Amino acid sequence: NAGVTQTPKFRVLKTGQSMTLLCAQDMNHEYMYWYRQDPGMGLRLIHYSVGEGTTAKGEVPDGYNVSRLKKQNFLLGLESAAPSQTSVYFCASSRQGNTEAFFGQGTRLTVV
Amino acid sequence: RKEVEQDPGPFNVPEGATVAFNCTYSNSASQSFFWYRQDCRKEPKLLMSVYSSGNEDGRFTAQLNRASQYISLLIRDSKLSDSATYLCVVNNLNRDDKIIFGKGTRLHILP
Repeated sequence: NAGVTQTPKFRVLKTGQSMTLLCAQDMNHEYMYWYRQDPGMGLRLIHYSVGEGTTAKGEVPDGYNVSRLKKQNFLLGLESAAPSQTSVYFCASSRQGNTEAFFGQGTRLTVV
Repeated sequence: RKEVEQDPGPFNVPEGATVAFNCTYSNSASQSFFWYRQDCRKEPKLLMSVYSSGNEDGRFTAQLNRASQYISLLIRDSKLSDSATYLCVVNNLNRDDKIIFGKGTRLHILP
């Protein structure tokens, strides 16, 4: 069972470069989320989606964009990476907003 | 007041002891509550849901106190493998359909 899959798992970017993180879930979940986790900061919500074709801003959306063109995929884009975006990024999905969330294994991103 | 607050710890507890964490939340309309466990450099995983009547799963007991707006997690007979960060999760479905994580409480079980 794949569950939630994130790609890539590791990436090093130079300042100003762009990239897209892909999150795929095979559980037919409606809700999907992107979080970043930094030491001492806990999980902070970047953007989320309550269904195909919808997106909404979370706690720390600046510098990121997202798209949910297909129900099973949630893409997180960094248009111009900055060192402050060095973090571990987690994608999650849930059947509804008040049900268990399943997480991907994380993407460790370093911006130099 | 922050939406979800937890004592960051660390809690250093001898093996076999009982340990309890609390998590307070600010929105009285919050509807669902969970405890997640996160091991170092791993993704969070659901430990247990928290029901209004309280629930128990082996050595773990979760309680909800709506009047005081907190949830608790009790671990009995702690094991070395219980060492992890425990995240409190609150869902404010009536607000904007997002789930909110606390920053977590670090637990170290000492041999």
